[in-house]
Amino acid sequence: EDQVTQSPEALRLQEGESSSLNCSYTVSGLRGLFWYRQDPGKGPEFLFTLYSAGEEKEKERLKATLTKKESFLHITAPKPEDSATYLCAVQARGGSEKLVFGKGTKLTVNP
Amino acid sequence: DTEVTQTPKHLVMGMTNKKSLKCEQHMGHRAMYWYKQKAKKPPELMFVYSYEKLSINESVPSRFSPECPNSSLLNLHLHALQPEDSALYLCASSPPGTGIDSNQPQHFGDGTRLSIL
Repeated sequence: EDQVTQSPEALRLQEGESSSLNCSYTVSGLRGLFWYRQDPGKGPEFLFTLYSAGEEKEKERLKATLTKKESFLHITAPKPEDSATYLCAVQARGGSEKLVFGKGTKLTVNP
Repeated sequence: DTEVTQTPKHLVMGMTNKKSLKCEQHMGHRAMYWYKQKAKKPPELMFVYSYEKLSINESVPSRFSPECPNSSLLNLHLHALQPEDSALYLCASSPPGTGIDSNQPQHFGDGTRLSIL
């Protein structure tokens, strides 16, 4: 069974304090790993897709990396507006459209 | 603002009511999804439509009835819901891929907050 585990569950940072979120996964052949950001009362906002081990993607203060067992979302010099829940999801090979989500990491950045 | 539009944003209904949730996208996406999300939990897949045909039903109770009238619209008809069905209902869509191993991301709307009295 495909599984996604995210850690930590919650993370508090001071503005400017860089850190990383972890997403560990087991899947029967990875088609894609997706990072989303979700603000309270809103739908998940797509951030990145990673396809193969060694791949990296960047967007502003965020950088996502992928290995064969896990993905990291690195946040460099975060700002209060980066506060949100970050969700990781995987999609397995074989034709199914199903995304398997982790439980998310709630990030709070204090000014 | 997202490119997937859901209406209404909020809905309160009694257990005997019949109501519908609506989702619309004009990005040319050919796969559309319904998810249910409870507080502090990740989204849970309910249904997938691919090219307007139902392709996945995650053993959802029959009181939830999906409908895809055309490639831009997705409805979720609700009848005789239970209090535990109160949740955020999210719609998503994704572009057509280039085969069964396509990995196009899903794009979500902001959801309908549903409360069952």
